[in-house]
Amino acid sequence: EAQVTQNPRYLITVTGKKLTVTCSQNMNHEYMSWYRQDPGLGLRQIYYSMNVEVTDKGDVPEGYKVSRKEKRNFPLILESPSPNQTSLYFCASSLGGRLTGELFFGEGSRLTVL
Amino acid sequence: AQSVTQLDSHVSVSEGTPVLLRCNYSSSYSPSLFWYVQHPNKGLQLLLKYTSAATLVKGINGFEAEFKKSETSFHLTKPSAHMSDAAEYFCVVSDLMASGYSTLTFGKGTMLLVSP
Repeated sequence: EAQVTQNPRYLITVTGKKLTVTCSQNMNHEYMSWYRQDPGLGLRQIYYSMNVEVTDKGDVPEGYKVSRKEKRNFPLILESPSPNQTSLYFCASSLGGRLTGELFFGEGSRLTVL
Repeated sequence: AQSVTQLDSHVSVSEGTPVLLRCNYSSSYSPSLFWYVQHPNKGLQLLLKYTSAATLVKGINGFEAEFKKSETSFHLTKPSAHMSDAAEYFCVVSDLMASGYSTLTFGKGTMLLVSP
């Protein structure tokens, strides 16, 4: 089954404790992206990747890192989480570097930073 | 720069009545437009898309949207709401950059509430 898989789905952590949210897709998609969703703000893009070893900042990259060492995986790293990073995070992928807009989303990772 | 405005943060309808979710956009070129749906505790799912073919686009679950360039609108409609339509809906515009790649801009979402 074609899917985007995120882990963990739920996480509570404390300020400053490094964490990684994994994202994996099995559709051989070139494009992958991370979004955060906050009430009243919709979805905001954190980072995206057009292909392996090619990443770029989205609208709200501060406090986050990503890597794209292989096509299927695109982990999101919070080196030193802070409470303002409490949010619902979505990973998404799309076929082709020239984004058509047809994104496939994971089911989300709800992160709470105390 | 492109932008998307969803005119209502919440829309309430009764089951069996029509649904109208409004979306206006601005774009430098000829955009592609999309509607996504998000059910509770789920990721977003593509509902329908417009990519410069027919201006009336049909999607899944009986939804459709009409692209009106003169009004820069892409409103989502459904003739008869079902309880299972209760969800949040996002209008999205995709625009081509000079680099040849596209960017996506999401609206802030409209929560559709359906009462029995």
